[in-house]
Amino acid sequence: DAGVTQSPTHLIKTRGQQVTLRCSPKSGHDTVSWYQQALGQGPQFIFQYYEEEERQRGNFPDRFSGHQFPNYSSELNVNALWLGDSALYLCASRPGDRTYNEQFFGPGTRLTVL
Amino acid sequence: AQSVTQPDIHITVSEGASLELRCNYSYGATPYLFWYVQSPGQGLQLLLKYFSGDTLVQGIKGFEAEFKRSQSSFNLRKPSVHWSDAAEYFCAVAANTNAGKSTFGDGTTLTVKP
Repeated sequence: DAGVTQSPTHLIKTRGQQVTLRCSPKSGHDTVSWYQQALGQGPQFIFQYYEEEERQRGNFPDRFSGHQFPNYSSELNVNALWLGDSALYLCASRPGDRTYNEQFFGPGTRLTVL
Repeated sequence: AQSVTQPDIHITVSEGASLELRCNYSYGATPYLFWYVQSPGQGLQLLLKYFSGDTLVQGIKGFEAEFKRSQSSFNLRKPSVHWSDAAEYFCAVAANTNAGKSTFGDGTTLTVKP
């Protein structure tokens, strides 16, 4: 059973560009959350998708948007990139949207904005 | 708003010595508490969690943690550290409701001396 997978592994963009990151949840999981982990910091919650809808959102601007597909995979889109968006972006999945269901993390996508 | 403080940025212990990593949280109600470990280039792996009941919880890899409501703490312990335990450790808190938004501390980096 493959765990949570993310693509690409690494990505380099320039300021002002747009980026799309992808996540496939663990088999049997229908809830996907995205986190941003800046260097030397803990992950920060961006948003969570369940039943193809954004259910909760952290303190991130509208430049960050997402989508969940019928097969539960998800995308994170970031528009108008700026240097501060450089970070490791983590995807996590869980079965159902209950907190007590363990969430599993993918290895992340390392985004560098130049 | 919920928050997590990990007072120790970096801890060094000798192999075979005991370990305690500190975590203090702020949350208005009964929290869900977690400890995760992150090795270089890896996603986060759940070590243990506290939802309710016994305040001493056992996790994987020989780790345990104790929930102390009066001190708003959830410290992680291990009686004998192995070289493979060198990693970054994150404490997290989540609301005991659905949606699973987790708030993470900034982590403690553990170095193990031979």
